[in-house]
Order: sequence, then structure tokens, then C-alpha cells
Amino acid sequence: DSGVTQTPKHLITATGQRVTLRCSPRSGDLSVYWYQQSLDQGLQFLIQYYNGEERAKGNILERFSAQQFPDLHSELNLSSLELGDSALYFCASTVGASGFQETQYFGPGTRLLVL
Amino acid sequence: GESVGLHLPTLSVQEGDNSIINCAYSNSASDYFIWYKQESGKGPQFIIDIRSNMDKRQGQRVTVLLNKTVKHLSLQIAATQPGDSAVYFCAENGGAQKLVFGQGTRLTINP
Repeated sequence: DSGVTQTPKHLITATGQRVTLRCSPRSGDLSVYWYQQSLDQGLQFLIQYYNGEERAKGNILERFSAQQFPDLHSELNLSSLELGDSALYFCASTVGASGFQETQYFGPGTRLLVL
Repeated sequence: GESVGLHLPTLSVQEGDNSIINCAYSNSASDYFIWYKQESGKGPQFIIDIRSNMDKRQGQRVTVLLNKTVKHLSLQIAATQPGDSAVYFCAENGGAQKLVFGQGTRLTINP
């Protein structure tokens, strides 16, 4: 158990809909990272938040957005869903802001299926 | 461009043997490398990391080797056990604000 929690574990929805994925980092960690894992793309970095502020951006679509709240949990919002958005979504956390120089601990993921 | 690749998508070894999983990277600016293990239905689990100022780092039953000359990273698992069955990913930071993951190698253990 990494200490990172994600809800829900599974999510099934229809095209065009909007969903929200939730992540709570490890106790004491200030950074949250979101990743998408699909069969043909592997693990792709989407976005990072540090202490409530956006810190780094990866391959995140404009239909996707995220935020980090004062209690440090984060939410990833996916809207106008398409079939191709079906994937595993992971969040990870680190203590500091430079998560690309320190170990990121991953949550168990949310499996999203868009029908 | 940035890319992290693996020489073999699958690796099958006998229980008790040593496993070696290889990874090639292309960004010479990368200064931090990580190996993750992902079991079915779970998130990636940190195994070991190494910084570019080192050539070798050892953990419990695992060793990571870094050859910066040929941009090659390897993960050695000693005395492979059934619980080692998983997909293994290498990742590099590319000198930028993100981790770039390889496609992964599936390690299967034969009894």
C-alpha cells in the first residue's frame, strides 16, 4: 500500500459525459501527479499540482482539467468523454515540487470505461 | 526527441534464476531514472532509482545499472520468485518537469 488513495476504482459512463476522479496523496506529500495509462500509449503524464498550484503540464487534453484543494486532495475532471478516453488513470504523490527528481508513489488507479 | 524504450516486451525466466530487464533511453539530459513494477490491477510500485552520477545501485534482490555512454539502463532481479511476475517500467526525467515511461516488459516466472 503506497498510501495514495483513489476513488472510484471503476467508472463506466457514456460518450459525451463528464466524470470526476479523486486522489488523496500520502500524508505529508504536497505534490499530486496525474497519469493516463492506455494499452497503446503506456503511462502518460498529464499534470502536476503542488500545494494547490499547477506546477507542470504534460499531454493533457483541453477537455480535461484538474485542481488541488486546500486539504491537498486532487480531482481530475474529464468532460465530453470519447471512446478513446477509456483508460486507467493514476495519481502519484511526492513530498516536494520536483517530482521528477524524487520517487513518485502511485495510487491503485481508476479504471474508466467510456461506452 | 524523447523516448524510453525496452529491448524486449516479454521475458520468461525460471524460478530461482536471475532476471535482467533492459531499457534504452534517448535523452542525454536525463539525470534521474526509476524502475517501477506493476502487477495486474494495481498501480506502479517503486522498485529502485538511480541518478546520473552513479553507475550502479543495489537494493534488496535488485540492482540497477546505468550506462550513460550508450544510454542504457538495466534492472537485475536476483533469484526470481513467482511474486516478481509483473510488468516492469523504466522511466527517465528527460531533464524536464515530467517522467517519461517506457512501454514496459512483462516478466513471467516459470516454475
